[in-house]
Amino acid sequence: AQKVTQAQTEISVVEKEDVTLDCVYETRDTTYYLFWYKQPPSGELVFLIRRNSFDEQNEISGRYSWNFQKSTSSFNFTITASQVVDSAVYFCALSTDRGAQKLVFGQGTRLTINP
Amino acid sequence: DAGITQSPRHKVTETGTPVTLRCHQTENHRYMYWYRQDPGHGLRLIHYSYGVKDTDKGEVSDGYSVSRSKTEDFLLTLESATSSQTSVYFCAIRGGLAGSYEQYFGPGTRLTVT
Repeated sequence: AQKVTQAQTEISVVEKEDVTLDCVYETRDTTYYLFWYKQPPSGELVFLIRRNSFDEQNEISGRYSWNFQKSTSSFNFTITASQVVDSAVYFCALSTDRGAQKLVFGQGTRLTINP
Repeated sequence: DAGITQSPRHKVTETGTPVTLRCHQTENHRYMYWYRQDPGHGLRLIHYSYGVKDTDKGEVSDGYSVSRSKTEDFLLTLESATSSQTSVYFCAIRGGLAGSYEQYFGPGTRLTVT
């Protein structure tokens, strides 16, 4: 069975601080896909990134970066120089079915950036 | 914008009544999904569809049924609503280019069962 654990339920930081959101996954499949989604206070879900199991390259997109480490089954998300607009709930998700892509989500981390 | 709408956006209903939620997409995507979001659980898959009249169960399918008679519409039905089905329901499509695996979500429907 697949499982995603986001151990940090809530994180609160001051604006401009760097913050890392942890995501640990469990699967026996050798091919899988990892995702991060953002849910701002308005409630919609916004896709941020997808990473395939065979691609361990880290990725940077502006102030956002993702660290994928198969050795520790982790796919962590770092926001550099956080801003108030980054306040949201962030979800990590996993799928192992290349066809159906049934997502298994973590419980989410509520990130609050204080001015 | 993945062109996904959900209706209704909010609904309050009584225990034991049937409820149907609608997901509509405008971009001819093959795969469509229904998830529910509850505090402490993230999102959980209820059912999904991989084509017209082709559906399958997800992790939390008990008490729910789905139908897809047209590519653009995916309906979720609660045959007899219970208080445990109070939740926010999200529809999603697997979108983008061929071979794309990411899902894009609709705005959600907040359902309250009293």
